[in-house]
Amino acid sequence: AAGVIQSPRHLIKEKRETATLKCYPIPRHDTVYWYQQGPGQDPQFLISFYEKMQSDKGSIPDRFSAQQFSDYHSELNMSSLELGDSALYFCATKAGRSEAFFGQGTRLTVV
Amino acid sequence: LAKTTQPISMDSYEGQEVNITCSHNNIATNDYITWYQQFPSQGPRFIIQGYKTKVTNEVASLFIPADRKSSTLSLPRVSLSDTAVYYCLVGDIGNQGGKLIFGQGTELSVKP
Repeated sequence: AAGVIQSPRHLIKEKRETATLKCYPIPRHDTVYWYQQGPGQDPQFLISFYEKMQSDKGSIPDRFSAQQFSDYHSELNMSSLELGDSALYFCATKAGRSEAFFGQGTRLTVV
Repeated sequence: LAKTTQPISMDSYEGQEVNITCSHNNIATNDYITWYQQFPSQGPRFIIQGYKTKVTNEVASLFIPADRKSSTLSLPRVSLSDTAVYYCLVGDIGNQGGKLIFGQGTELSVKP
C-alpha cells in the first residue's frame, strides 16, 4: 500500500542556508501536518493544511514557511538555518475522519 | 485541546500484558483518543483509536471508561520488538486540519 513519502531522507546544510523538505501524501489525503522532533524529544507540531489552506499553526519559527500544492503534496521551507534546527522532520497526512499516517521523516543536520 | 499525561517509562518482560494509562481530564465531547507507537528515528505508527468503551484490533485493545477522562492501551503478550515510545493523542478527528498534539510519551522497555 502507498505510504506517506518524504524527501529527502537526509539533508546536511550549513548555517544560514535554506532547506526545502517535501511530503507526498497517500492518495486522496487532503490534510497534512508537519512536526519537528529534536533528539530525545517528543514531536512538536509546526503547522497543518487542509485542502491547500493553512489550518493551524504551532511552534513554527518565522524563518519557516510551508504550503500545500494543488496535487496535495506539501513543502516545508526553512531559511537562515541555525544549529538548533537540526532535527527529524515528519509530515503526516489524513483524509476525513481517518487516522493520520506519518512519513519516515527527513533528518536535517545543520553544521 | 485536551492535555494528556502518561507515565514517562515502563518496564516489562516478554510474554506479559502491558497496560499504559493516559489521563486527559479536559477531553471534549467531540474528541477521540488515538495511540501511536514510535521507534527511534522512525515516524509514529498508528496503533488504535477509540471514542468510548472498548476497541480491539489485531495488535492492541483500548479501554475508555464512561467519563472518558482516561484511557488504557493494552498490549497483549509483548515481545522485544514492542520496545518503543507510545503516545496518547486526544483530538477531534472530524476537524478538518487542526492540530495533532503529542504530549510526553511512555517509553516501554521489554526485556527477555
